[in-house]
Amino acid sequence: DAGVIQSPRHEVTEMGQEVTLRCKPISGHDYLFWYRQTMMRGLELLIYFNNNVPIDDSGMPEDRFSAKMPNASFSTLKIQPSEPRDSAVYFCASSLAHGVGVGTQYFGPGTRLTVL
Amino acid sequence: RKEVEQDPGPFNVPEGATVAFNCTYSNSASQSFFWYRQDCRKEPKLLMSVYSSGNEDGRFTAQLNRASQYISLLIRDSKLSDSATYLCVVNNPSNTGKLIFGQGTTLQVKP
Repeated sequence: DAGVIQSPRHEVTEMGQEVTLRCKPISGHDYLFWYRQTMMRGLELLIYFNNNVPIDDSGMPEDRFSAKMPNASFSTLKIQPSEPRDSAVYFCASSLAHGVGVGTQYFGPGTRLTVL
Repeated sequence: RKEVEQDPGPFNVPEGATVAFNCTYSNSASQSFFWYRQDCRKEPKLLMSVYSSGNEDGRFTAQLNRASQYISLLIRDSKLSDSATYLCVVNNPSNTGKLIFGQGTTLQVKP
């Protein structure tokens, strides 16, 4: 299995630009999670989906952030407009709701975002 | 109080040493417990699940104390390759599927 796939791996943009991060979860997984990690705040859950439906978006910092999951194999996290304080590593993770290994989250390699 | 608390370290130990990490969690209804490992500039990866009876995987031993809401990870005979950040992880019983990650404990094993 290819694991969780994220793109791009690195993104450098200027303040005010729109940024779109992409994620392909492990095939067959029911849950998809978006996290942000910084040295100061550690790993923060932004939003997660169950069967493509957003369940909890209480971690989304503000209206500039939005996430979608149009189908079981694809999700996007968009920041518009981006600000320097959004600079972080953004991870996508997926997990099963049932069966062997239920609850274990598998992370993608992350997108390292730098907003100048 | 944080939902999952860990000593951030760093723990600096020589090769061959035994080192223990501790973690406490606040929600007594939590049912699933894990240790994840995160290497520098990499994603977190599952190291091992933690079972009520305690479990061992090679040089790694995990223990759970539900009464004290306390989880531990013991690493014996430390290797240079064990240098990483170890994240204590607990499920959120109110939100199925959701995990709560501690801030992590950094381990540096030196020659």
